[in-house]
Amino acid sequence: AQSVTQPDIHITVSEGASLELRCNYSYGATPYLFWYVQSPGQGLQLLLKYFSGDTLVQGIKGFEAEFKRSQSSFNLRKPSVHWSDAAEYFCAVGKGGSTLGRLYFGRGTQLTVWP
Amino acid sequence: EPEVTQTPSHQVTQMGQEVILRCVPISNHLYFYWYRQILGQKVEFLVSFYNNEISEKSEIFDDQFSVERPDGSNFTLKIRSTKLEDSAMYFCASSPGQGNIQYFGAGTRLSVL
Repeated sequence: AQSVTQPDIHITVSEGASLELRCNYSYGATPYLFWYVQSPGQGLQLLLKYFSGDTLVQGIKGFEAEFKRSQSSFNLRKPSVHWSDAAEYFCAVGKGGSTLGRLYFGRGTQLTVWP
Repeated sequence: EPEVTQTPSHQVTQMGQEVILRCVPISNHLYFYWYRQILGQKVEFLVSFYNNEISEKSEIFDDQFSVERPDGSNFTLKIRSTKLEDSAMYFCASSPGQGNIQYFGAGTRLSVL
């Protein structure tokens, strides 16, 4: 069965510190992988996506993620966190090679940033 | 930047009442979706819609739910007779059909009393 696991419900970091949010997935076919961010009162904004090719993908706001097929992981990273990065982050997986189809989401990781 | 718009932002209703949640997808998109998130739980897929018909629906999307694209711009989710367990945040999404990139609205929080 398809599933996405985000093992960390809540992470707190200091501003300027590095960040890594973990995501593991289970999917029976080649996946498309996504990270979304949700700020209070806002929708889910796409940070980055992985379809194929280079396993290190760059996104908006200085985020990057690395796809590791052997570990079924797609962890999100940022070298230096800003206070405005405080939000909830969702990892999602969809069917690779498809133009449509449902996304499976993880439970989300709430990020708090200390000044 | 184009965005998906959802109205209302918060809907309060009595159990057993019908509600219609409205969405205006991004104008040149072809695929439309509804998801929901019960408080503290995962975002869950409800239904996808393409070419004026349902493409896929989840086990959650039973006969109490329906979707419609009544004109060229709106995409609605109707719940015929709401239950307490329908209380959730409902997200609309649309996609241009390239690589299944889905763009989400801010959501409608439905509270069933």
